[in-house]
Amino acid sequence: DAKTTQPTSMDCAEGRAANLPCNHSTISGNEYVYWYRQIHSQGPQYIIHGLKNNETNEMASLIITEDRKSSTLILPHATLRDTAVYYCIVRVAGTASKLTFGTGTRLQVTL
Amino acid sequence: KAGVTQTPRYLIKTRGQQVTLSCSPISGHRSVSWYQQTPGQGLQFLFEYFSETQRNKGNFPGRFSGRQFSNSRSEMNVSTLELGDSALYLCASSSTQGNTEAFFGQGTRLTVV
Repeated sequence: DAKTTQPTSMDCAEGRAANLPCNHSTISGNEYVYWYRQIHSQGPQYIIHGLKNNETNEMASLIITEDRKSSTLILPHATLRDTAVYYCIVRVAGTASKLTFGTGTRLQVTL
Repeated sequence: KAGVTQTPRYLIKTRGQQVTLSCSPISGHRSVSWYQQTPGQGLQFLFEYFSETQRNKGNFPGRFSGRQFSNSRSEMNVSTLELGDSALYLCASSSTQGNTEAFFGQGTRLTVV
């Protein structure tokens, strides 16, 4: 699986959009970008994934650059409950369970 | 539908003992993976089981083992426990249909004293 690079931490005011970047410059053509988050002492929670097109669901939007070397997870209206560690993971399709977690980005949402 | 269930939630063991942790995946999911999370090493992949067969294995010593039953439930076993085995052990289940996500349980917090 390709390696990912994320900032260690970020702050965001409640109600504002949180934009979490991820670099994956060695991504291969058959590798997807996945985002998970982990709220303290809980199991990781799936957020969204994509291959090359931008994706949106009820939780977030995923913007992938045209060259696929980086992506941004967008939480449109961050709340205090979005405070968590966010992991960007690149993996080959069909290997749903073998995830290589990096150190992630610790997002702190404040009032 | 019910989520991934891990038992027990908390466990305290003594060095040298062995421990067995259990994971019940989401109904219909046949793939189960195990992860270890420690403050120093983060989340690390242990192994993955599918149809009662180990499909992938992480870089852990042989003291860590697992198995999967015909109903897809999985157990992992750690023998000769060491203090460094203290961690949150997480189980994830996934469908093998298409490119889907993995669903995690709440984990078992193991403390070795």
